[in-house]
Amino acid sequence: EPEVTQTPSHQVTQMGQEVILRCVPISNHLYFYWYRQILGQKVEFLVSFYNNEISEKSEIFDDQFSVERPDGSNFTLKIRSTKLEDSAMYFCASTIGWDSTNEQFFGPGTRLTVL
Amino acid sequence: TQLLEQSPQFLSIQEGENLTVYCNSSSVFSSLQWYRQEPGEGPVLLVTVVTGGEVKKLKRLTFQFGDARKDSSLHITAAQPGDTGLYLCAGAPELYNFNKFYFGSGTKLNVKP
Repeated sequence: EPEVTQTPSHQVTQMGQEVILRCVPISNHLYFYWYRQILGQKVEFLVSFYNNEISEKSEIFDDQFSVERPDGSNFTLKIRSTKLEDSAMYFCASTIGWDSTNEQFFGPGTRLTVL
Repeated sequence: TQLLEQSPQFLSIQEGENLTVYCNSSSVFSSLQWYRQEPGEGPVLLVTVVTGGEVKKLKRLTFQFGDARKDSSLHITAAQPGDTGLYLCAGAPELYNFNKFYFGSGTKLNVKP
């Protein structure tokens, strides 16, 4: 069964460093999302992406964040200068359609630890 | 912004009991999804409810979407230890179509044998 994959599963970085989190959405999906979940807290929407453009972003998604679809398969989230509070699980999701039956499929997540 | 309020936050019950989890909002949603999340993993979709008043059943789980499409409930009949987990409701407010997706804070269910 097709699935969303994410790499790495765990990333440890020093404060101020840049990190790139990678996702491979399901191949025929067209809409992509990034979410984060701080330990013990709820899943928070970061950004949605379609047709090589950001569709919507949350207040969390500031200038330190960027997303890219560099080729036909990968979807990346870059954090330019990481802060301690960026430590969280980051989930990528994808969906085939943009309608009321929208079903998002989530990847297993990348645990980011900022020291 | 707590767009989706889930209650209760925690629920610990004995095997065989019934339970209901609620998801409420003041906003209208095009649809609401229910997910289950295991520790260290991504949410896994259980069901999507689309039409106001809709009821969907998934074995012992019954999902209902409110008539006004502002709330939803998940009812589990005869809970089993395998039902233990974090249950999340999520959806995109009608205002945003599907550009912006919100999750509730979750209900942590523990079913004791």
